[in-house]
Amino acid sequence: DTGVSQDPRHKITKRGQNVTFRCDPISEHNRLYWYRQTLGQGPEFLTYFQNEAQLEKSRLLSDRFSAERPKGSFSTLEIQRTEQGDSAMYLCASRPGSANTGELFFGEGSRLTVL
Amino acid sequence: DAKTTQPNSMESNEEEPVHLPCNHSTISGTDYIHWYRQLPSQGPEYVIHGLTSNVNNRMASLAIAEDRKSSTLILHRATLRDAAVYYCILRAIIQGAQKLVFGQGTRLTINP
Repeated sequence: DTGVSQDPRHKITKRGQNVTFRCDPISEHNRLYWYRQTLGQGPEFLTYFQNEAQLEKSRLLSDRFSAERPKGSFSTLEIQRTEQGDSAMYLCASRPGSANTGELFFGEGSRLTVL
Repeated sequence: DAKTTQPNSMESNEEEPVHLPCNHSTISGTDYIHWYRQLPSQGPEYVIHGLTSNVNNRMASLAIAEDRKSSTLILHRATLRDAAVYYCILRAIIQGAQKLVFGQGTRLTINP
């Protein structure tokens, strides 16, 4: 499968714990996005990488959230001291930099439940 | 980001055409119109996009009004697998993230 891969698909944690999600974009896609989606809502933009540089962050990304893309390939999203309000689906998407169609390729998401 | 307005839900029957409307009265000349859909328990999936002219692909057709203030996604012959939330999104042709800003979309139900 050559699509966007996310791991883990499901994570249940207790409030106050740290969690980390990983995203492997489509090979050679240098643009990578993280979104968050709560039940019944559309996805909300969190952050954007071009290669290894994090170029844009939403105000939704509080200081408990950190995202990295150290070598410009896979990315991680860490949430520290999780709260019940962090329960959501975390979606990763990628696209090539050269194409201007704007088509984003999404992974299937990582669902977080904070108890 | 320019805003789109879509009905919360629509219902149609299998093997019939479906017309999903979208209003975007504040669209600017540099905004593309994108449609994505999200099936249950999956990430969003690209459907189609256009700028000014009507567009067709294997999944759907996109009809864009002459003043570009509205558009319609057309599924020519709906199947049960087309049941999903459909998002109409405007994307600016500018440098930078070119991120997609999703609204709440239209939940499409297909009756057998």
